[in-house]
Amino acid sequence: KNQVEQSPQSLIILEGKNCTLQCNYTVSPFSNLRWYKQDTGRGPVSLTIMTFSENTKSNGRYTATLDADTKQSSLHITASQLSDSASYICVVSEDSNSGYALNFGKGTSLLVTP
Amino acid sequence: EAQVTQNPRYLITVTGKKLTVTCSQNMNHEYMSWYRQDPGLGLRQIYYSMNVEVTDKGDVPEGYKVSRKEKRNFPLILESPSPNQTSLYFCASSFRVGIHNSPLHFGNGTRLTVT
Repeated sequence: KNQVEQSPQSLIILEGKNCTLQCNYTVSPFSNLRWYKQDTGRGPVSLTIMTFSENTKSNGRYTATLDADTKQSSLHITASQLSDSASYICVVSEDSNSGYALNFGKGTSLLVTP
Repeated sequence: EAQVTQNPRYLITVTGKKLTVTCSQNMNHEYMSWYRQDPGLGLRQIYYSMNVEVTDKGDVPEGYKVSRKEKRNFPLILESPSPNQTSLYFCASSFRVGIHNSPLHFGNGTRLTVT
């Protein structure tokens, strides 16, 4: 079963507009949550990491939030650019007895159009 | 430059012909892993390695083998490829999974087609 659900599955927005991507998880015990950006034909690249005690973190025009109580995270993109067109993947790290396990969401595909 | 290098980038082969996809990292990372990415399914972990000579199955290990004889290399071996192994494969490494400042560093992928 997938413990990380992302929505929407795909999204099309106009250049300059804002958007918000959602990640809901059931992973427990929680260690941290990362958002990755994957450009077409490339490997994913880490955008930001959220730990249990962090509510919000920004990386340029990307702002991630975390609500550990409701087990929800969001990635907000401000003033979108054509280069933001990519897949965004949420990865939740599980702190288990055998070490740390990574749980991947299926990603949100974002297309920014002129 | 810190990087994860996979080879080849593209590979077309026939059913049953053994192949190896190489992966090498130059960051002295302890953790390495292999994933396959299929449309609608996202990234799924095949095998991972917490350190040299330590490997474990991920979510979809059937039909794959790995080895970790040295820290920098983590090859993926398909002993008898089948068409359902046609996919985009990624190798990744991290200093240590679970440490907060250790993201996964991914290679640029290997697109494998098995006919």
